Amino acid sequence: QKEVEQNSGPLSVPEGAIASLNCTYSDRGSQSFFWYRQYSGKSPELIMFIYSNGDKEDGRFTAQLNKASQYVSLLIRDSQPSDSATYLCAVIRAGNMLTFGGGTRLMVKP
Amino acid sequence: NAGVTQTPKFQVLKTGQSMTLQCAQDMNHNSMYWYRQDPGMGLRLIYYSASEGTTDKGEVPNGYNVSRLNKREFSLRLESAAPSQTSVYFCASSEGPSSGNTIYFGEGSWLTVV
Repeated sequence: QKEVEQNSGPLSVPEGAIASLNCTYSDRGSQSFFWYRQYSGKSPELIMFIYSNGDKEDGRFTAQLNKASQYVSLLIRDSQPSDSATYLCAVIRAGNMLTFGGGTRLMVKP
Repeated sequence: NAGVTQTPKFQVLKTGQSMTLQCAQDMNHNSMYWYRQDPGMGLRLIYYSASEGTTDKGEVPNGYNVSRLNKREFSLRLESAAPSQTSVYFCASSEGPSSGNTIYFGEGSWLTVV
């Protein structure tokens, strides 16, 4: 079992819709959770992080964490074509290693 | 703002050749990292350095060596390149390895081993 799992996609949503990206992790000792966005041929850039159970909102992005069920999700409201990218979930586990999932490719169609 | 700078950006190697990827950061960060990214695999940690003078193995260290030359620089060396090391390599840095410290990535180095 992978430490951090994501559906590779592609996830296709129409412009203006809500995109929902999901991630599960195996280590119950995981402490911090991150979402990165990566455009093709570019390096990952941090979108947001979350430590506590519940929701965290930042503009059009909402991260949701459920430690009991070991999943973290990212909602993108009012999706735009410029949001088309690969979204990487990352988790800090015991030992302070940042471990990434394989990423989900999002396509927002005009 | 240079941030994290890595060189070279592109390199083609023959099997068995050696090379060093260079990385430097100008953010006075304590921790530095080397990741590789293969299609569908996300980023996998090769080595990291929590602070100057220390290095530790990550998930996939075999075939690589690293040197933390000083606080700014962290190099990755392939002693005898193999086709399985064809990948995109990212250097990154952060203030420290504790929870919540944002990791900043360089632009990547595309390495092909033929």
